Amino acid sequence: GAVVSQHPSRVICKSGTSVKIECRSLDFQATTMFWYRQFPKQSLMLMATSNEGSKATYEQGVEKDKFLINHASLTLSTLTVTSAHPEDSSFYICSAGINTNYGYTFGSGTRLTVV
Amino acid sequence: AQSVTQLDSQVPVFEEAPVELRCNYSSSVSVYLFWYVQYPNQGLQLLLKYLSGSTLVKGINGFEAEFNKSQTSFHLRKPSVHISDTAEYFCAVSASGGSNYKLTFGKGTLLTVNP
Repeated sequence: GAVVSQHPSRVICKSGTSVKIECRSLDFQATTMFWYRQFPKQSLMLMATSNEGSKATYEQGVEKDKFLINHASLTLSTLTVTSAHPEDSSFYICSAGINTNYGYTFGSGTRLTVV
Repeated sequence: AQSVTQLDSQVPVFEEAPVELRCNYSSSVSVYLFWYVQYPNQGLQLLLKYLSGSTLVKGINGFEAEFNKSQTSFHLRKPSVHISDTAEYFCAVSASGGSNYKLTFGKGTLLTVNP
């Protein structure tokens, strides 16, 4: 079945530094990848949609300069949290797929802690 | 735009009892419906989905859901739960008819199965 690998699973960084999170589709080519943020005991909030070879589409209220998304190939999308602050601490999850009918597979998530 | 309401934030049940997790949606267009399960500090796993056809959908781990268009509901059921079913369950909706529509999630229902 479709497998999505997300790395790292946990990261602790200092305030002001940048962190990169990778999302890879291991056995299929993902034309679309989604990035979500999940606060404790809450639902997933869609941050942006990325399509291979084009600029990501950000949801309203998400700072595109702070959350940089790159989808350079059909198997890799990255989310970079720039100049991280403690309020960016959260659980970030990616999902990848071909289309809605085929279904989207979620990565295992990244727990980001900014100290 | 679509929205999802999960009526119960927490559902405690005893092992081997039946359970129903409720989900209602709102949409001005036809929809696809999904149920996902999330175990602590992990990504989301698809339980089942409704795209078209039979309104009763069977998924993994003995779960099933029924799409009721008139009541705009997609409730998840299992006739006999196990301790291992303890997890967070998310109902999600996307607009149908396209190829890359984003998912809108409900706030989740924490199912706790007690011995």
